[in-house]
Amino acid sequence: EPEVTQTPSHQVTQMGQEVILRCVPISNHLYFYWYRQILGQKVEFLVSFYNNEISEKSEIFDDQFSVERPDGSNFTLKIRSTKLEDSAMYFCASSTTGELFFGEGSRLTVL
Amino acid sequence: AQSVAQPEDQVNVAEGNPLTVKCTYSVSGNPYLFWYVQYPNRGLQFLLKYITGDNLVKGSYGFEAEFNKSQTSFHLKKPSALVSDSALYFCAVRDPTSRGGGNKLTFGTGTQLKVEL
Repeated sequence: EPEVTQTPSHQVTQMGQEVILRCVPISNHLYFYWYRQILGQKVEFLVSFYNNEISEKSEIFDDQFSVERPDGSNFTLKIRSTKLEDSAMYFCASSTTGELFFGEGSRLTVL
Repeated sequence: AQSVAQPEDQVNVAEGNPLTVKCTYSVSGNPYLFWYVQYPNRGLQFLLKYITGDNLVKGSYGFEAEFNKSQTSFHLKKPSALVSDSALYFCAVRDPTSRGGGNKLTFGTGTQLKVEL
């Protein structure tokens, strides 16, 4: 069964460092998303991506965040200068026009 | 703005008994509703969805959900719970203003289901 894969599964970084989280969406999917889940809290939408551009983004997705689909298979989330409050589980998802399929997540710990 | 409410932080059920995890929603227009399950340290797994049609939706692992428009509810049910069903369950609603054809989802706060022997 096709699945969304994410790397790394866990990353520890120092505050102020840049982080790139990688995702390989399901191959025939057209829409790509990043969500995050701060420990013990709800799952929050960050950004959606379609046709090589951002469709929409939440207020969380400020100038420190960016997304890219560099090679037609990977979908990346970059955080330029991490803050303590960026510590969370980041989920990539992809879809056609129906339900979203989520990856296993990348846990980011900012020290 | 759209929202979903999951009024119970935790639901405890004995194995073999029926289970219900509650969800109510608020959205303008026709609701697109989803249930996801999250096992410890895992991603979100899709269980079922309601887009249109029959109010009783059947999904994975024997789960079903009943859409009730008058009560704006979409409760998740299973006739006979298993210990392996113990997990965190999220209800979600599609944002009707989602742009570009995608499905931006708003999630509830989650309900921890604990099934005991």
